[in-house]
Order: sequence, then C-alpha cells, then structure tokens
Amino acid sequence: DSGVTQTPKHLITATGQRVTLRCSPRSGDLSVYWYQQSLDQGLQFLIQYYNGEERAKGNILERFSAQQFPDLHSELNLSSLELGDSALYFCASSPRDTFRHSSNTGELFFGEGSRLTVL
Amino acid sequence: DQQVKQNSPSLSVQEGRISILNCDYTNSMFDYFLWYKKYPAEGPTFLISISSIKDKNEDGRFTVFLNKSAKHLSLHIVPSQPGDSAVYFCAATSNYQLIWGAGTKLIIKP
Repeated sequence: DSGVTQTPKHLITATGQRVTLRCSPRSGDLSVYWYQQSLDQGLQFLIQYYNGEERAKGNILERFSAQQFPDLHSELNLSSLELGDSALYFCASSPRDTFRHSSNTGELFFGEGSRLTVL
Repeated sequence: DQQVKQNSPSLSVQEGRISILNCDYTNSMFDYFLWYKKYPAEGPTFLISISSIKDKNEDGRFTVFLNKSAKHLSLHIVPSQPGDSAVYFCAATSNYQLIWGAGTKLIIKP
C-alpha cells in the first residue's frame, strides 16, 4: 500500500461527457503528479502541483484541467471526452518539489490508478 | 521524441537465472535514472535508482548499471524469482519531469 488513494478505480462514460478523478496523496507529501497510460505505452506526464500551486505541465490537453486543494488532495477534470482518452490515469505523490533537488532521486509513490473507458 | 527507450516489449527468463532489462536514453542532462516495477491493476513502485555521476548501484538482488558514453542503462536481477514477473519501467529525471520508457514485461518461467 503506497498510501496514495485514487477514486474511482473504474469509470465508463460516453464521448462528449466530463469526469473528475480524485487523488489523496500520502500523508505529508506536498507534490501531486498526474500521469496517463494508454494501452502498451509508457506513462505520459500530465501535470504536477506542489502545495496547491501548479508546478509543471506536460502533455496535458486543453480539455483537461487539474487543481490541488488546501488539504492537498487533487482532482483531474477531463471534459469533452473522446475515445482516445480511454486510458489508465495515475496519481503519484512526493514530499519534494522539483527533481532538481540534489537529494531527490525521483522516487514517486503511485496510487492504483483510475481506469477510464470512453464509449 | 522518445528520450527514454526500452526496445524490448517483453523478456522471458528461467527462474534462478539472471534477468537483464535494458534502457537507452538520448538526453545527457538527466540527473537520476530509476527503475519502477508494475504489477497488473497496481500503480508502479520504485525499485532502484542511480545518480548520473555513478556507474553502478546495488540493492540485494537488483543492480543497476549506467554506461554514460553509450547512454545505456541496465537492470540485473539475480537470481530471478517468480514474484519478479511484472512490467519494468525505466525512467529519468529532468527538471520537473520524470521521463518514462514504454516498459518491458518480464516473465519468469518455472
């Protein structure tokens, strides 16, 4: 058990709809990362928040948005869903901010993922 | 542009033998290289890392080797056990991002 909680575990919806994925980081972790894993692909970085502020953006579509709340949980909002958005969405947390920190070896703690199916 | 590449989608190894997973990268500015392990229906878990200034790091049955001139990273598992069957991801740190390979599925045969 990594200590990172993601809900829902599974979600099936239709094209054009909007969904919200939720993540609670490990106790004490200030950074939350969102990743997308499509079939047989590596993890694509979407966005990172640190202590409520957006810290870095990866390949996140404009239809997607995220936020981190004062209690440090985070939500990923996916709108105008398309078939190609079907994927596993992982949340990860870390106590640190940037990977440039000299002692930050890049270890992230991942949740079990939310599997989104768009029909 | 794939900065971290795992060219073998899968690898099958006999139990008790050595498993060698490979990873190539293109960016010489990466700070750390990491291996993560992922079981089905679970998130990735951190396995082992190596700083870009080192060439070897060992943790029990797991050893990671870094060849900077070849921009190549490998993970050795000795001896391989049934519980090692999983997907292994190579990743590298760069500023705010962790850049991931596509993964190699390791199958340990009895």
